[in-house]
Amino acid sequence: EAQVTQNPRYLITVTGKKLTVTCSQNMNHEYMSWYRQDPGLGLRQIYYSMNVEVTDKGDVPEGYKVSRKEKRNFPLILESPSPNQTSLYFCASSSPRQGGWGYTFGSGTRLTVV
Amino acid sequence: GQNIDQPTEMTATEGAIVQINCTYQTSGFNGLFWYQQHAGEAPTFLSYNVLDGLEEKGRFSSFLSRSKGYSYLLLKELQMKDSASYLCAVRVDQTGANNLFFGTGTRLTVIP
Repeated sequence: EAQVTQNPRYLITVTGKKLTVTCSQNMNHEYMSWYRQDPGLGLRQIYYSMNVEVTDKGDVPEGYKVSRKEKRNFPLILESPSPNQTSLYFCASSSPRQGGWGYTFGSGTRLTVV
Repeated sequence: GQNIDQPTEMTATEGAIVQINCTYQTSGFNGLFWYQQHAGEAPTFLSYNVLDGLEEKGRFSSFLSRSKGYSYLLLKELQMKDSASYLCAVRVDQTGANNLFFGTGTRLTVIP
């Protein structure tokens, strides 16, 4: 089944403890992206990647890192999480072969930083 | 920057028709998407418009006017399961990047 897989689904952590949210897609998509979703603010892009070893900042990159060493994986790294990074995170992928470059989203990761 | 506006909430009756509007102001417009998102779940693709006009897909239709910076999503024969948030997203041409910018979403409640 074509899908984007994120892990974990839920995570509670403490301020300052490094964490990684994994994202993997099995559709051979070139493009991958991370969003965070907060009430009243909608989906905001954190980072995106147009292909292996090519990444760039979105609208809200502060406090986050990404890497794209392989086409299928695009992990999101929080080196020193803070409470304002408590949010619902989505990974997405797409390809020009997919109608309109529409995104396929992962199931989401609900992160709480205390 | 991108400015995308849609109503925050709407309520409609089961079996009725509802229209959700979206207006946008962007540079480098290159397509408009509608997504459906049930609470706590991932957004799922509904429709895509890049040219002016109406795209119909079953009970759902989407319209685009590029000159007016306006789109709407039309949902017919509403069902209770259509209660969800509907996200308008604009694709902007940024040196080949496929970036979508999302509105804050319209939460639709379908009542019996």
